[in-house]
Amino acid sequence: GAGVSQSPSNKVTEKGKDVELRCDPISGHTALYWYRQRLGQGLEFLIYFQGNSAPDKSGLPSDRFSAERTGESVSTLTIQRTQQEDSAVYLCASSLRNSGANVLTFGAGSRLTVL
Amino acid sequence: QKEVEQNSGPLSVPEGAIASLNCTYSDRGSQSFFWYRQYSGKSPELIMSIYSNGDKEDGRFTAQLNKASQYVSLLIRDSQPSDSATYLCAVKPQGAQKLVFGQGTRLTINP
Repeated sequence: GAGVSQSPSNKVTEKGKDVELRCDPISGHTALYWYRQRLGQGLEFLIYFQGNSAPDKSGLPSDRFSAERTGESVSTLTIQRTQQEDSAVYLCASSLRNSGANVLTFGAGSRLTVL
Repeated sequence: QKEVEQNSGPLSVPEGAIASLNCTYSDRGSQSFFWYRQYSGKSPELIMSIYSNGDKEDGRFTAQLNKASQYVSLLIRDSQPSDSATYLCAVKPQGAQKLVFGQGTRLTINP
């Protein structure tokens, strides 16, 4: 597609429920990243995919967080048993594979609110 | 020590003046540096990248990199109200594929 597409744009859920956030990267971009941004804060790295493997998942905050990617396409970030501290905007970004420059293009984000 | 540090601001600059944004980083082996602009409620967008010591100019924007001192800065000349946003500094640590972001500096240009 023309840009990075994320869905849903907004999600309100109750504490303890599971949520899935979806990211569709730019066509041809084999690298995909998930970041979290809490209100008024910077971007917190969660996980990086190259193709469908995740060589760096060091930023996942707990085992309630998981992510997968199908081929070099869509990725899903799953948060199980959501907690109020999970409330944030979850941003997905993609870049070209051998881009040492790592020029990331971000999606519009999924705003998650846990009540 | 945070990997990437920025003054969170807010930084207030009159219209037409030069806005100066600064960033320091801890990984001396870092090779790639970026400035992203984020308008309120929007996603970050890349405005500058720099990889070598010195200055890099693009229109009203100049990025400056000093690897020995481990700092990178962004100058915005002839500041416009439309430049009001949060500016995020990002660094690619040595051996990593991810970008590490600073907290961001909120810039306000006053007409």
